[in-house]
Amino acid sequence: AQSVTQPDIHITVSEGASLELRCNYSYGATPYLFWYVQSPGQGLQLLLKYFSGDTLVQGIKGFEAEFKRSQSSFNLRKPSVHWSDAAEYFCAVVADSWGKLQFGAGTQVVVTP
Amino acid sequence: DTAVSQTPKYLVTQMGNDKSIKCEQNLGHDTMYWYKQDSKKFLKIMFSYNNKELIINETVPNRFSPKSPDKAHLNLHINSLELGDSAVYFCASSQGGFTGELFFGEGSRLTVL
Repeated sequence: AQSVTQPDIHITVSEGASLELRCNYSYGATPYLFWYVQSPGQGLQLLLKYFSGDTLVQGIKGFEAEFKRSQSSFNLRKPSVHWSDAAEYFCAVVADSWGKLQFGAGTQVVVTP
Repeated sequence: DTAVSQTPKYLVTQMGNDKSIKCEQNLGHDTMYWYKQDSKKFLKIMFSYNNKELIINETVPNRFSPKSPDKAHLNLHINSLELGDSAVYFCASSQGGFTGELFFGEGSRLTVL
């Protein structure tokens, strides 16, 4: 079955520092992969997605992610975090032909001054 | 103008009661979803409707019954509430012909006492 793993439950980063969130997937074919962000008390918002083509994907809010088939990874990066980036981040993969999303357990990002 | 709106936002009730959560989307999307987020932030799909037809029905107790009167609305009714039903329930929608982008509501926090 398709699944995603986010190894880091919690990450603390200083404002202005770079951020990388890890995501590993398990899928037989080329996966459709996503990163969503959940700000406190809010629903989820799509940051970016990968279907095919260029393995470096640009998203909103200055985020990017790189698909690496050899490592079964789809890590999210941001060169310089802002205090407003403090949130829960979810990696997800399409799990069936109806587009059901299988979410990872999430990584909580805390931004310190 | 809110794209996906859920009511109520907060719901506190006693075990054994029956409650409903309503969801409406004004995006013109064909597909709507209910997701459950537990206390550890884990997100799991419960149901999905495409043009009022049930297309995804995960292993959910039959105390949970979704209803889609039209493609802009998807309601969730829960009978005989249990302590374990306490969670945040998210409604989401997407365009037909899966794009991977779900638009989420802000969630409905259900607390069962």
